[in-house]
Amino acid sequence: DIQMTQSPSTLSASVGDRVTITCRASQSISSWLAWYQQKPGKAPKLLIYKASSLESGVPSRFSGSGSGTEFTLTISSLQPDDFATYYCQQYNSYPITFGQGTRLEIK
Amino acid sequence: QVQLVQSGAEVKKPGASVKVSCKASGYTFTSYGISWVRQAPGQGLEWMGWISAYNGNTNYAQKLQGRVTMTTDTSTSTAYMELRSLRSDDTAVYYCARDGQLAVAGNFDYWGQGTLVTVSS
Repeated sequence: DIQMTQSPSTLSASVGDRVTITCRASQSISSWLAWYQQKPGKAPKLLIYKASSLESGVPSRFSGSGSGTEFTLTISSLQPDDFATYYCQQYNSYPITFGQGTRLEIK
Repeated sequence: QVQLVQSGAEVKKPGASVKVSCKASGYTFTSYGISWVRQAPGQGLEWMGWISAYNGNTNYAQKLQGRVTMTTDTSTSTAYMELRSLRSDDTAVYYCARDGQLAVAGNFDYWGQGTLVTVSS
C-alpha cells in the first residue's frame, strides 16, 4: 500500500496568514492526489484534485502543487472558515490511501 | 443539486452485520460509482472499496475482503454497504462518496452525511 505522510500534524496560524501543508507519498503517484477539508461532525469536502486542479466553487486562495512523491496545499490568506482538518489522498493505485490529517487551528 | 443521503445511526453487537444505504439524487446514478470511506472516532479516513453503479463491478480494500459487500439498486438510485462479523474496531462513521463509473476515479466530489455505526456488547 502507498503510505501518505502529512506535515505538520498540527498548525497554528492567524487570519490572513499564508500556510502550507506538505504531503509525501511512499512511492511515486504521478499527479493522482487530492486534498480535502473536514470540519468536526461533517463529511470531507474536495478542494483540489489531480494535485493542482481547483474543484468548482472552492475559493482561489486554495492552491495545490507537486508531482511524484511530494505535494503541497497552500492557503494564501487564511480566513476564519478555513480552520479545519486537511487530508491528502492518493488515487494512483489501490487501495486508495489518505494522509493522517493536518489540524489547522487558530493561533 | 447532487445529494447523497445515508441511513441513520446503528448500534450492533460484536459478530453482527450492518447494512448502510446511500440514496443518490440530482445526477444520473449509473453514470458514476460509489466509494465507501470510514472514519473511526478521532481518527483519519480509510477507504473501504468502490462499486460501479453502471455494471456492479466492485473493488474492495484487501483488509475487508470477505467481510464487506457493496451493492446497488439502480431502480431506486441507492447504494448499499454491508459489513459482517462486526468487531469493536469497526465502530466508525461510514461515508459514501460519488466516484468513477468504470473504475475508482479517486476524487470524491460529493459525500453523504455519514452514518455512525457503533459496535458494543
